[in-house]
Amino acid sequence: DTGVSQDPRHKITKRGQNVTFRCDPISEHNRLYWYRQTLGQGPEFLTYFQNEAQLEKSRLLSDRFSAERPKGSFSTLEIQRTEQGDSAMYLCASSLGTLTYTEAFFGQGTRLTVV
Amino acid sequence: AQKVTQAQTEISVVEKEDVTLDCVYETRDTTYYLFWYKQPPSGELVFLIRRNSFDEQNEISGRYSWNFQKSTSSFNFTITASQVVDSAVYFCALSGEDSNYQLIWGAGTKLIIKP
Repeated sequence: DTGVSQDPRHKITKRGQNVTFRCDPISEHNRLYWYRQTLGQGPEFLTYFQNEAQLEKSRLLSDRFSAERPKGSFSTLEIQRTEQGDSAMYLCASSLGTLTYTEAFFGQGTRLTVV
Repeated sequence: AQKVTQAQTEISVVEKEDVTLDCVYETRDTTYYLFWYKQPPSGELVFLIRRNSFDEQNEISGRYSWNFQKSTSSFNFTITASQVVDSAVYFCALSGEDSNYQLIWGAGTKLIIKP
């Protein structure tokens, strides 16, 4: 297992277009997280899954954002009608956990630029 | 509410110097977890350490050491004999029941090690 992988690494899109990112977690990890990070800031939580169930979604998350994890393995994050403010690094992480927190392992991120 | 403060936005030292990165946190939880992550220029967040609130023993791992003090709500990170490869942004994070075990991140400290 090579860790958490994200695809693509970089994405440039025009404002108003839809984009989709993919995350493949570490295979035995049941939890998967999406974060967004802008320059000079720590990651901002977006949503997380336990297996295929989306258990929490940030209140800050616009309804233009949707995430899925259909078979409890890989996940996709879609942004519809992108805006320049969506430009950021989108990070995926996975962990093995039940009630309490265990360390999350992060992918290298997808850097989105909306022009 | 939970909060993590990393007051040092950027630190620059010469190679082989020791450097300490500060982290102060706020939480109402009695059980919580503290983390340090490293983010090199490649973008991937690398897990360094997790500490639970009941374990105040300081930890040393090679050139890295962590000083956890509940009395001052601090979890500081020291790099001894710094090397150029230590240059990165370092994030402190907190997780507990109050945040539904999501990671609450500090803003990060950018560490520059000059040769």
